[in-house]
Amino acid sequence: GQQVMQIPQYQHVQEGEDFTTYCNSSTTLSNIQWYKQRPGGHPVFLIQLVKSGEVKKQKRLTFQFGEAKKNSSLHITATQTTDVGTYFCPYSQFGNEKLTFGTGTRLTIIP
Amino acid sequence: DVKVTQSSRYLVKRTGEKVFLECVQDMDHENMFWYRQDPGLGLRLIYFSYDVKMKEKGDIPEGYSVSREKKERFSLILESASTNQTSMYLCASRRITGQPQHFGDGTRLSIL
Repeated sequence: GQQVMQIPQYQHVQEGEDFTTYCNSSTTLSNIQWYKQRPGGHPVFLIQLVKSGEVKKQKRLTFQFGEAKKNSSLHITATQTTDVGTYFCPYSQFGNEKLTFGTGTRLTIIP
Repeated sequence: DVKVTQSSRYLVKRTGEKVFLECVQDMDHENMFWYRQDPGLGLRLIYFSYDVKMKEKGDIPEGYSVSREKKERFSLILESASTNQTSMYLCASRRITGQPQHFGDGTRLSIL
């Protein structure tokens, strides 16, 4: 069945360093969304990618969807303490109502 | 702004009790979801509902049931609570398939 791996599971970076998390699927995805969950909080929607090769930016965050729609990445430039949290890339299969979240990537920042 | 409200932030119940977790959304969303979140296991889908009186099993439905009698309310029921159901429970809603999900603040449930 559908398998999406998100790597790394944990990442510790010095404040000011860049950070990237990747989601890799065994099959083609219809779309992919990205969410952020702050410690003690709930997941909050960041963005959705639908088109092959799509790139979207939100300030220091850059989101990419691969040409084959099998992988996606979130890159944060010059991390800040406000970036701390867990980033999820839930996905849905074609024609399926269900969104699968997985374990996410937990980012911690060393000040 | 979308508001998803879960009835309790913290709840403590005893083994064998019937437990109800309530979730209400105020944006006339079609789809609603219940997840549980455990350390190292991420967010796992228990049940979802794509319309009133409709329900679908998620990845871990065993030991749970749901009810959606009105569009705005989605209830999660633990028929006979067990200690392995101690967890953070998150409710979410979205307008339709493909739209963003909006989450409630969560209910931290402890079963003693």
